[in-house]
Amino acid sequence: AQTVTQSQPEMSVQEAETVTLSCTYDTSESDYYLFWYKQPPSRQMILVIRQEAYKQQNATENRFSVNFQKAAKSFSLKISDSQLGDAAMYFCAYRSVLSSGSARQLTFGSGTQLTVLP
Amino acid sequence: EAQVTQNPRYLITVTGKKLTVTCSQNMNHEYMSWYRQDPGLGLRQIYYSMNVEVTDKGDVPEGYKVSRKEKRNFPLILESPSPNQTSLYFCASSLSRGAGYTFGSGTRLTVV
Repeated sequence: AQTVTQSQPEMSVQEAETVTLSCTYDTSESDYYLFWYKQPPSRQMILVIRQEAYKQQNATENRFSVNFQKAAKSFSLKISDSQLGDAAMYFCAYRSVLSSGSARQLTFGSGTQLTVLP
Repeated sequence: EAQVTQNPRYLITVTGKKLTVTCSQNMNHEYMSWYRQDPGLGLRQIYYSMNVEVTDKGDVPEGYKVSRKEKRNFPLILESPSPNQTSLYFCASSLSRGAGYTFGSGTRLTVV
């Protein structure tokens, strides 16, 4: 079964600075999808960014970008020019392309709580 | 507006009293799923459905039931709730395995 590990339970960043959140995963599959979700205090789960494992190019969405290292099974999220509204819990998630058994699910890490300091 | 709607947002109930949390999506998505979120554990899948009448267990299915009679609806049923089912529950849907899930607003359930 796949596992997703976020080793930083909490992080903080100064407004306008850059922060990187870490995520590693364990899988024997060669094709899969990786996601970062944001959960602000409203508790709504918001998709931030998505990466397809077969694409070498790192995904970017405005101020959010990823560093995808497939061999190292690492998928970090970089937030540039941090804003107060970026304060939230961030979850890394893995989704298999297979159709059988537990491979159908989206597997989440335990989350990183990001604080943005004014 | 494309969305996943789950109700209620908050629910306090007593041990053993059957309850249903409803979930509906208006995006014609094939895949739907229920998750529970507990502090320090992230989100864990309860049940999964890849189409009408097709459901599968996730990591923590014990004490829960689901049904998928229509494509848009995927209710979560707790036949005899217990205090260890106190949690934040999310319904989610996606168009395909490669797409991200769209989540509902969550249901905070407390079982006393």
